[in-house]
Amino acid sequence: DAKTTQPNSMESNEEEPVHLPCNHSTISGTDYIHWYRQLPSQGPEYVIHGLTSNVNNRMASLAIAEDRKSSTLILHRATLRDAAVYYCILRVVEETSGSRLTFGEGTQLTVNP
Amino acid sequence: DAGVTQSPTHLIKTRGQQVTLRCSPKSGHDTVSWYQQALGQGPQFIFQYYEEEERQRGNFPDRFSGHQFPNYSSELNVNALLLGDSALYLCASSINPQTRQYFGPGTRLTVT
Repeated sequence: DAKTTQPNSMESNEEEPVHLPCNHSTISGTDYIHWYRQLPSQGPEYVIHGLTSNVNNRMASLAIAEDRKSSTLILHRATLRDAAVYYCILRVVEETSGSRLTFGEGTQLTVNP
Repeated sequence: DAGVTQSPTHLIKTRGQQVTLRCSPKSGHDTVSWYQQALGQGPQFIFQYYEEEERQRGNFPDRFSGHQFPNYSSELNVNALLLGDSALYLCASSINPQTRQYFGPGTRLTVT
């Protein structure tokens, strides 16, 4: 499975934007870029995903580099509830046998009041 | 609409014993995946079940086995428990094997 590289930790202030980077230089043409986050004592929660184009949803935006070797998750206004571990994942989909999520270490986001 | 549920919440077992963990998928979901998360690490994929068959398997020994029932619920069995099996076991469900996964709260297994 292709690997992703993320900073171990990042800090932000409440109500400011947060840009969480992810490098995935070995991505293949069919790999989807997924972001999940895990709040303390909870299971991971889906945030957003994309293939080539930038994506927006109610939680965040995903900016994907033109060569797809990196991406950035953008939280437009961080809140204290956004403090979590954020995982950037390349999801390989195999038509006949399903898909798996390969988690790395993730980025621990701290949001300061 | 209930999300993914797992039971039990916590479990303490002795080395060498066997354990069964249970998962009920989100309504309308027919695919269940299991992950192991050691303390301070990201979840590691164990296997995925669809149509009552194991479709994909991660790098886990045969001591880890599973089952999916006709109602799509699933069990994870671990035999001959080792201290290193202590972890949070997460179940995730999806509408089909290719779509996004919804995770349950996990079962915390402690092996002493």
